[in-house]
Amino acid sequence: AQSVTQPDIHITVSEGASLELRCNYSYGATPYLFWYVQSPGQGLQLLLKYFSGDTLVQGIKGFEAEFKRSQSSFNLRKPSVHWSDAAEYFCAVRAGNNRKLIWGLGTSLAVNP
Amino acid sequence: EAGVTQFPSHSVIEKGQTVTLRCDPISGHDNLYWYRRVMGKEIKFLLHFVKESKQDESGMPNNRFLAERTGGTYSTLKVQPAELEDSGVYFCASSQGLGTSGREGFWNEQFFGPGTRLTVL
Repeated sequence: AQSVTQPDIHITVSEGASLELRCNYSYGATPYLFWYVQSPGQGLQLLLKYFSGDTLVQGIKGFEAEFKRSQSSFNLRKPSVHWSDAAEYFCAVRAGNNRKLIWGLGTSLAVNP
Repeated sequence: EAGVTQFPSHSVIEKGQTVTLRCDPISGHDNLYWYRRVMGKEIKFLLHFVKESKQDESGMPNNRFLAERTGGTYSTLKVQPAELEDSGVYFCASSQGLGTSGREGFWNEQFFGPGTRLTVL
């Protein structure tokens, strides 16, 4: 069965510091991978997605993620964090012809001024 | 363009009562999804509508949950009777496309509403 692991439940970084949020998936074939963000009071917003091709994908708000098949990972990165990035981040996978998303537990990001 | 809206934003009910959650998808979106996040757990898929038809309801917890999408527009999710373990945040999402027909439709982004926080006491 497909599954997603986000090992870090909560992360705190200083504004301007770099960020990497980890995501590992379990799936036999090539997965379709997503990162979503939920800011307080808002719905889940798609940051970026990977279907095929270039393993480094660019998203909105200056985020990028790299698909590494050998490590079954799809880590999210940002070179310099802004206070407005404080939110909860979710990694998700969609497999095969099934449209439903399988989610990780989420990582809550706090940003210190 | 209006996004996905959900009503109510919060609901507090007692065990045994009935609650109905509503989701209004983005206009023209054929696909509508319900997800739920129980506190401390991951978001889980509940079901998927294509227009008014249930495409996949494999995630529905039990027969106390009833989802409808009459006319292929808004959807309701009714919980009757509610139990303590039903507490959580219920998300609705919608996406374009013609259901399973067409590769382009399959890849369309799911747009999420802000969720309804349900508390069962």
